[in-house]
Amino acid sequence: GAGVSQSPSNKVTEKGKDVELRCDPISGHTALYWYRQSLGQGLEFLIYFQGNSAPDKSGLPSDRFSAERTGGSVSTLTIQRTQQEDSAVYLCASSLTGTSGFNEQFFGPGTRLTVL
Amino acid sequence: GNSVTQMEGPVTLSEEAFLTINCTYTATGYPSLFWYVQYPGEGLQLLLKATKADDKGSNKGFEATYRKETTSFHLEKGSVQVSDSAVYFCALSDTQPGNQFYFGTGTSLTVIP
Repeated sequence: GAGVSQSPSNKVTEKGKDVELRCDPISGHTALYWYRQSLGQGLEFLIYFQGNSAPDKSGLPSDRFSAERTGGSVSTLTIQRTQQEDSAVYLCASSLTGTSGFNEQFFGPGTRLTVL
Repeated sequence: GNSVTQMEGPVTLSEEAFLTINCTYTATGYPSLFWYVQYPGEGLQLLLKATKADDKGSNKGFEATYRKETTSFHLEKGSVQVSDSAVYFCALSDTQPGNQFYFGTGTSLTVIP
């Protein structure tokens, strides 16, 4: 079946502009995660959605970052007034359930964001 | 809190050499442990996992044993190949509701012929 998909694959924007990144998780996966991977860095957790529960936003680096998940499926990560330090690869992952530690996360290919 | 500390790279090995990438963790509960791999130009994918102490995860010739006494989950392979060149991430998932994953910083491996 289809894996996690993300769009766009690449996004170049100017400083100060808003951007939206999209994630389509695997069908039936209730948990969805956003991470940021900066050059030479590990994975930085941003936000986590589990079913209809309130999302865990503890990883969002500033109030310029927000995310939604509509209908328990597609998610959009929005970055307002982008800064050059926002340049990174943004990864989305989904898993079957968020209530157990045993479930593998499946990652999308990422969106490479470049802020000029 | 939960965290993962991973051996820093980059690591360069000759083909058929033995590989060890160290990973230690700190966890408040009883986590599951994972190794993810990111091949050049590709997304992260699960390499192996272990869900309880003394479990050994294995896949594609790679192995890692969940050592609770040393809080470690070191990745090993007896004979690496050029195709193993990738970035390897150690991760843990707490069994508390939320399934939050904590990733190490990644170790870049280059295998030369």
